[in-house]
Amino acid sequence: AQKITQTQPGMFVQEKEAVTLDCTYDTSDQSYGLFWYKQPSSGEMIFLIYQGSYDEQNATEGRYSLNFQKARKSANLVISASQLGDSAMYFCAMREGSSDLFGNEKLTFGTGTRLTIIP
Amino acid sequence: DVKVTQSSRYLVKRTGEKVFLECVQDMDHENMFWYRQDPGLGLRLIYFSYDVKMKEKGDIPEGYSVSREKKERFSLILESASTNQTSMYLCASSFPSGIQHEQYFGPGTRLTVT
Repeated sequence: AQKITQTQPGMFVQEKEAVTLDCTYDTSDQSYGLFWYKQPSSGEMIFLIYQGSYDEQNATEGRYSLNFQKARKSANLVISASQLGDSAMYFCAMREGSSDLFGNEKLTFGTGTRLTIIP
Repeated sequence: DVKVTQSSRYLVKRTGEKVFLECVQDMDHENMFWYRQDPGLGLRLIYFSYDVKMKEKGDIPEGYSVSREKKERFSLILESASTNQTSMYLCASSFPSGIQHEQYFGPGTRLTVT
């Protein structure tokens, strides 16, 4: 079974609209972390936002927020007021196990969603 | 700002050649990673290292080896390049403290093996 599933290969959104990128995950660990990265056409992966499994509130970073629904094992990224510069690939990733464990740094990535913002 | 650099943005090699991909980070990070990225498959971990001279296999280590002689440098080696190793290779580093441990990525090396 896929550990991280992103079901939307591509999305087109009108500029200034909000957009939700879906991510579901599969783990039996109680402690884990969820990440979203953005990859523009230049290729470099840019960290956007993090949610810990024990965090009670949804993470927010500027126009990015993470809609964390633990029981449904989903961690959707919401971008408010989209801009042309938001056009990129977006990847959801998970670190399983506690961040305190030595050497427990591996991330598992989803297949990504290509977001295109239309002017 | 964290800076992760990779020796080449684009590389073309012939089948059977030995290929070295170099990655350097300037933030004294303990952890370093090598991924390959292919369309429809996302990023897959090849190897990672959590200390000098230490290495751990990732999900797809076959056909690759790594070297970490200095903390700031992590090299990926293709002993005998094959066409199925044509891909984008991404290096990353992270510092094992705090809660997030987010990884910082380099710009990637697009390798073509002919």
